Amino acid sequence: EAQLVESGGDLVQPGGSLRLSCVASGFTFSNHWMSWVRQAPGKGLEWVANINQAGGETYYVDSVKGRFTISRDNAKTTLYLQMNSLRAEDTAMYFCTRGWVFTLDRGSRLSNDLWGQGTLVSVSS
Amino acid sequence: DIQMTQSPSSLSAFVGDRVTITCRASQSISRYLNWYQQKPGKAPKLLIYAASSLQNGVPSRFRGSGSGTDFTLTISSLQPEDFATYYCQQSDIRPITFGQGTRLEIK
Repeated sequence: EAQLVESGGDLVQPGGSLRLSCVASGFTFSNHWMSWVRQAPGKGLEWVANINQAGGETYYVDSVKGRFTISRDNAKTTLYLQMNSLRAEDTAMYFCTRGWVFTLDRGSRLSNDLWGQGTLVSVSS
Repeated sequence: DIQMTQSPSSLSAFVGDRVTITCRASQSISRYLNWYQQKPGKAPKLLIYAASSLQNGVPSRFRGSGSGTDFTLTISSLQPEDFATYYCQQSDIRPITFGQGTRLEIK
């Protein structure tokens, strides 16, 4: 059974750092784009970052550019999110997701067909 | 950034009802539109991708339609397990953006 399991969430002070991990199993990790999506308490979903299969392409939402780094280790089937200079507004549940590629008139794009259970990041003094 | 606006933000319905949720994009996204279902305390689940393609294992009572800027998710006959929050997501142009969600409650 395909599965994603996140870890690394914690309570951290503003300006601090955390590294989230997501271990994948039950599918060929290296074949898929991967993403992080977050959800602030009681709020909606926000895409944070994604990374291509080899790790050479990465994209970020503007609010985390320069502070967060997405990466992957295909040998360890693990996705990471390094979070630096954390702010109160980064407080959220962080979900690891698998990309499902589909192709239409403008080319290939992503959906997110497998999600982990999430790991909670709280930024507060 | 492309803004995704869902309506209504919440609705109440009976088991067996037919319901429709609308999602509007601030610019054309062709059919690069996905729908997710999220239950309290759980991760989202992909229902529909490419505006109208049913994800494997999703019941056929869920139907997606639309293209360009206007999209709908229709549930033909509500079941008790369908009461949840639904999100649309555009993946045409980065940054990928979600609608604000539609909370579907039991009447």
